[in-house]
Amino acid sequence: DVKVTQSSRYLVKRTGEKVFLECVQDMDHENMFWYRQDPGLGLRLIYFSYDVKMKEKGDIPEGYSVSREKKERFSLILESASTNQTSMYLCASSAPPSRQGRTGELFFGEGSRLTVL
Amino acid sequence: QKEVEQNSGPLSVPEGAIASLNCTYSDRGSQSFFWYRQYSGKSPELIMSIYSNGDKEDGRFTAQLNKASQYVSLLIRDSQPSDSATYLCAVKDSGYSTLTFGKGTMLLVSP
Repeated sequence: DVKVTQSSRYLVKRTGEKVFLECVQDMDHENMFWYRQDPGLGLRLIYFSYDVKMKEKGDIPEGYSVSREKKERFSLILESASTNQTSMYLCASSAPPSRQGRTGELFFGEGSRLTVL
Repeated sequence: QKEVEQNSGPLSVPEGAIASLNCTYSDRGSQSFFWYRQYSGKSPELIMSIYSNGDKEDGRFTAQLNKASQYVSLLIRDSQPSDSATYLCAVKDSGYSTLTFGKGTMLLVSP
C-alpha cells in the first residue's frame, strides 16, 4: 500500500511565524502535491513537483513556498504565517501514467490542520 | 480555468437505496476521472477511477462517464450508513498530472 505521511496532524502557530509542513511518501512516486482544503472552497492546489528540485505553482501559491531535495520528501513552507492560512493541508503523491498504468491517481496523507492565531 | 461542478447536497437517502452523485466538468480534453470519498476530519480516499465512456462497476459502486456530455456520475447501490461522507469528483486533463477537484457532495444515509 502507498503510504503518504505528514509530519504533524495539528499545529497552532502565531501570525508571522515560519511554518514547515513535511510530507514523505514511500512508493518512489515522482509526483508530489500540496493542497489546502477549506469549507465551501474545496481542495485547491498550492504547489506540485514532478521531480527532485523541480516545483510548479498551482492555483494558489501566494504566501507559500516548497522544497523537494529528495524524491520521497516534499515540504511546504509558510514564510510568514497569516490567519487566512488557517486550513487543512493535504499532501499527495502519484506515479507517472506510463509506470502506473492508470493515469493520475492521487494518494493522500492524513492531513495537517494548521491554526494561525 | 478548468472547472468541476458538483451539487453540494446534502443528498439524503434511506439505507438500502441507490445514491446517485453527479459531476460535470468544463475541459473537453480531460482524460481521467476519479471519485474520492472523504469522511469528516479525514483525508480523501480513492474509491473509483474511470477512463473511457460507459460504466465501470466495483462492488456496490458504479462509475458512469459520458465525455460528449462532459458528465461523470457515481452510483452507490444498497447504501449503508457507513457510506455517509463527502464524495469528491476529480478530473485530470491530458497534459498534466494534476487533478482538478469539485467541491464535493455530502451524502447522508439514514438507517
